[in-house]
Amino acid sequence: KAGVTQTPRYLIKTRGQQVTLSCSPISGHRSVSWYQQTPGQGLQFLFEYFSETQRNKGNFPGRFSGRQFSNSRSEMNVSTLELGDSALYLCASSPGQGIRQYFGPGTRLTVT
Amino acid sequence: TQLLEQSPQFLSIQEGENLTVYCNSSSVFSSLQWYRQEPGEGPVLLVTVVTGGEVKKLKRLTFQFGDARKDSSLHITAAQPGDTGLYLCAGDNYGQNFVFGPGTRLSVLP
Repeated sequence: KAGVTQTPRYLIKTRGQQVTLSCSPISGHRSVSWYQQTPGQGLQFLFEYFSETQRNKGNFPGRFSGRQFSNSRSEMNVSTLELGDSALYLCASSPGQGIRQYFGPGTRLTVT
Repeated sequence: TQLLEQSPQFLSIQEGENLTVYCNSSSVFSSLQWYRQEPGEGPVLLVTVVTGGEVKKLKRLTFQFGDARKDSSLHITAAQPGDTGLYLCAGDNYGQNFVFGPGTRLSVLP
């Protein structure tokens, strides 16, 4: 089985712009979670989608949003980018809640 | 807010040495996971511990879950350069989400 894929792998954006990141889960996995990883804050949970519904949400501002499609692929959107949004954004897929997560390689976002 | 602390933050040792890293919290988790992350990659699950007092071994790695299910330790025997990476612990918040610690960055020098 192919692993979790994330596109793009690297992205440079300017403050105020918006960005959309994509995640394709492992085939058959219906749960997709998103995390932000920074040197200062570590890995922080953004949100989780299961069967196209947001099931859990972390403590991030409304500029961070996501969605999941019927094929379980997920997108994450960040609007009005700030310098502090520079981070590695990781996607993890799982067959269901509380079951092992498999992480993708991440998208490295740099905001200038 | 649930928090996981990890210590030490950084560790640099020589090949062949033993080491222990710690993961502590004031909260109880339904299970606790350990991951290793290498540069340019996502974290890879090493082990999940579920029962208080549980000990699991994975070759040269030994994982222990505290009796109260609030803390855990990872012990590596005879470390090798291939063990180099960022070690993360993550607590399962009863199926709602995973809370990650900040990680221990391990460097094993040949």
